[in-house]
Amino acid sequence: EAGVAQSPRYKIIEKRQSVAFWCNPISGHATLYWYQQILGQGPKLLIQFQNNGVVDDSQLPKDRFSAERLKGVDSTLKIQPAKLEDSAVYLCASSLWGQGVAFFGQGTRLTVV
Amino acid sequence: QQPVQSPQAVILREGEDAVINCSSSKALYSVHWYRQKHGEAPVFLMILLKGGEQKGHEKISASFNEKKQQSSLYLTASQLSYSGTYFCGTDPLPAQGGSEKLVFGKGTKLTVNP
Repeated sequence: EAGVAQSPRYKIIEKRQSVAFWCNPISGHATLYWYQQILGQGPKLLIQFQNNGVVDDSQLPKDRFSAERLKGVDSTLKIQPAKLEDSAVYLCASSLWGQGVAFFGQGTRLTVV
Repeated sequence: QQPVQSPQAVILREGEDAVINCSSSKALYSVHWYRQKHGEAPVFLMILLKGGEQKGHEKISASFNEKKQQSSLYLTASQLSYSGTYFCGTDPLPAQGGSEKLVFGKGTKLTVNP
């Protein structure tokens, strides 16, 4: 069974530039999460989708971050414009609704300079 | 809302035991345990649902005290491969049941030396 796929693996951008991350969840997983993990800390939930609907985006900085999950499968997370404090690993995870076990992708390491 | 983990770090010699604790101020539907090695994605270890059950996987087990909203992860006879950062993820209990919203603690860094 293929795992959660994310791309790119690494990205370096200058502050005020924009960046987008892509996630392909495990086939059949209705729930998709985007987490931000700053070095030395636990993953922080940014947004949670159930199919193509948003379940929770209370911690998403909506003035600069946006996410979508068209057709309830792939998802993209965008940052525009990026700030230095956005430097982190962005993790995508997916789970079967009702099971609760989240499987993580390898993440995208973003460095904002 | 973020669960509190303790200790922040622990260093063991191979074969020693360790306990990692996770506590929440909110009523919980479930507790999830993950291990993350440096530069890798978190890997699922186990999930405990409300009801105070205890689960085990080889020499790693966990318990969930529903009344205290606490979970503990027990690592016995530690191996070098156990090194990594352990995170607990908690799913709060709304009126309708688990929300499947996972909120993670800051992690406990475990180092197992030969």
